[in-house]
Amino acid sequence: DAGVTQSPTHLIKTRGQQVTLRCSPKSGHDTVSWYQQALGQGPQFIFQYYEEEERQRGNFPDRFSGHQFPNYSSELNVNALLLGDSALYLCASSPHGRTFYGYTFGSGTRLTVV
Amino acid sequence: QKEVEQDPGPLSVPEGAIVSLNCTYSNSAFQYFMWYRQYSRKGPELLMYTYSSGNKEDGRFTAQVDKSSKYISLFIRDSQPSDSATYLCAMSFGGATNKLIFGTGTLLAVQP
Repeated sequence: DAGVTQSPTHLIKTRGQQVTLRCSPKSGHDTVSWYQQALGQGPQFIFQYYEEEERQRGNFPDRFSGHQFPNYSSELNVNALLLGDSALYLCASSPHGRTFYGYTFGSGTRLTVV
Repeated sequence: QKEVEQDPGPLSVPEGAIVSLNCTYSNSAFQYFMWYRQYSRKGPELLMYTYSSGNKEDGRFTAQVDKSSKYISLFIRDSQPSDSATYLCAMSFGGATNKLIFGTGTLLAVQP
């Protein structure tokens, strides 16, 4: 049974560009959360999607947006990239209503902004 | 002040040692407390979770929560080189979304 799948695994972008990261949740999971993990830091919550709607958002600017598809997969979009957006972006999936102990994290997408 | 404080280490111990990892927090509204293990180039993996105060044991791992002191701990007995990883504490308020607030992580190296 595949866990959470994220693509791509690594990405290098230039300041000002836009990027799209993708996540396929674990089988049976319908809720997807995105986290940003800067080097040497713990993950920070970006937002969570359930039933194709953003349910809660962390302290991130509007440059960060997302989408969830009917098959529960999700995308994270970041516009007007800044050097400070360089980080590991983690996707976590869970069954709705059983979030914290049902969380399964993917291996992440390493984004480098130059 | 960060909501969750965690000593970043690194912590180096010999194989077989007892390891103690700790976090403090400032918000008394946290209800759920978790420990995640993160190997290099991997996502976090849930090790232990606890609701409210108390102890929980799972094999070589013991998690303790002291809400009165706003302090949580993870103990690893008989540490193994395979335990070498970054250990992240995380907390949440509960609710439908249950977003996690993480500490910075402690890098642990168990020397054979």
